[in-house]
Amino acid sequence: EADIYQTPRYLVIGTGKKITLECSQTMGHDKMYWYQQDPGMELHLIHYSYGVNSTEKGDLSSESTVSRIRTEHFPLTLESARPSHTSQYLCASSPSGQGINQPQHFGDGTRLSIL
Amino acid sequence: AQKITQTQPGMFVQEKEAVTLDCTYDTSDQSYGLFWYKQPSSGEMIFLIYQGSYDEQNATEGRYSLNFQKARKSANLVISASQLGDSAMYFCAMRETYTGFQKLVFGTGTRLLVSP
Repeated sequence: EADIYQTPRYLVIGTGKKITLECSQTMGHDKMYWYQQDPGMELHLIHYSYGVNSTEKGDLSSESTVSRIRTEHFPLTLESARPSHTSQYLCASSPSGQGINQPQHFGDGTRLSIL
Repeated sequence: AQKITQTQPGMFVQEKEAVTLDCTYDTSDQSYGLFWYKQPSSGEMIFLIYQGSYDEQNATEGRYSLNFQKARKSANLVISASQLGDSAMYFCAMRETYTGFQKLVFGTGTRLLVSP
């Protein structure tokens, strides 16, 4: 059973607010990822990290930012939320150095709704 | 760039029957990995099964099996003896390797509905 946790599970908030979505994993995985997913649609990678102090932008442009100060923690921040940010955000992690067959382990996701 | 295609937006199956969910992929890599994930309505992504491009045997995990046809670039998921709890979205994904980071590229998914 994967140990990766996201909070909050649901968030409804007004336009212009600063938001931080939390993601933590207890598996010691070096690689972590953030995906954005609209309802019924595919996942798009928006950020990823090789390890501490490493952050990279993904394939889908996003106004969000991430940080990786500790191995286990990979928070995502929106400085000023807008209705277009309404979506589900999924965090994942995977181990390093064990080949391409290692699956990414996902958290339960945060469903974000901006009014 | 690598691409995953899932042409079935929705599938219906009766309980206890088998169902095949289609997935085709496009890549120029020789080494790649294919994954299937299940996403219930609650939103989490659950890893089901993996197939490596050099694996000679089709992968199996309990009621899940992967029909891997490398020449056709297809990696269809077969669920045997469907259960009501199998109703969910199913995503096929490919791991890119040339970047060294091994990002996952996802298809658009297939919604499976299992009826009693």
